[in-house]
Amino acid sequence: GDSVTQMEGPVTLSEEAFLTINCTYTATGYPSLFWYVQYPGEGLQLLLKATKADDKGSNKGFEATYRKETTSFHLEKGSVQVSDSAVYFCALSGNTPLVFGKGTRLSVIA
Amino acid sequence: GAVVSQHPSRVICKSGTSVKIECRSLDFQATTMFWYRQFPKQSLMLMATSNEGSKATYEQGVEKDKFLINHASLTLSTLTVTSAHPEDSSFYICSASTGGMENIQYFGAGTRLSVL
Repeated sequence: GDSVTQMEGPVTLSEEAFLTINCTYTATGYPSLFWYVQYPGEGLQLLLKATKADDKGSNKGFEATYRKETTSFHLEKGSVQVSDSAVYFCALSGNTPLVFGKGTRLSVIA
Repeated sequence: GAVVSQHPSRVICKSGTSVKIECRSLDFQATTMFWYRQFPKQSLMLMATSNEGSKATYEQGVEKDKFLINHASLTLSTLTVTSAHPEDSSFYICSASTGGMENIQYFGAGTRLSVL
């Protein structure tokens, strides 16, 4: 079945560092890909999405490109802030409800 | 983006009581809503898929008599945890799907249930 694998955390970075969180997927067909963010004690917020190959999703300085050839959707941000500290979930939507990765906890220190 | 309201955000109850959690899509009609459970520092576990006007589809291992789901309208789904026990303590999150070509899921803020 469909699955998502994302790098295990926690990831700890200094403010203004470059962030990459790797995400790869296995799916039949052509799924849509998502990154969700969960701040402490809250639900999930859609961060960005891409619906077809080579699409780039971007929001709040984060971006991810749908790479069909490598089945990847890595999340990147050029300069992280303390307020970016959260758990990030990669997810795909194919013929089933959203399939989530296990989440990557990011801590950004000043 | 679309807004999904989940209420209450936090509930503490005694063992044996029932708790109802509401999930509303505020600015769109959601033909499908989902209920998840999240354990500390873990990913979301899909409990059930709820379609308006029909019975919910439960994931394997989820007790349908324990977790009652009602999707009475295109904007409201409820989850009732019946005869709650301490092991039911968890973070419950709902989501609503926009359907159509985009079919994006928007999430509620979650409900933290603590059963004493």
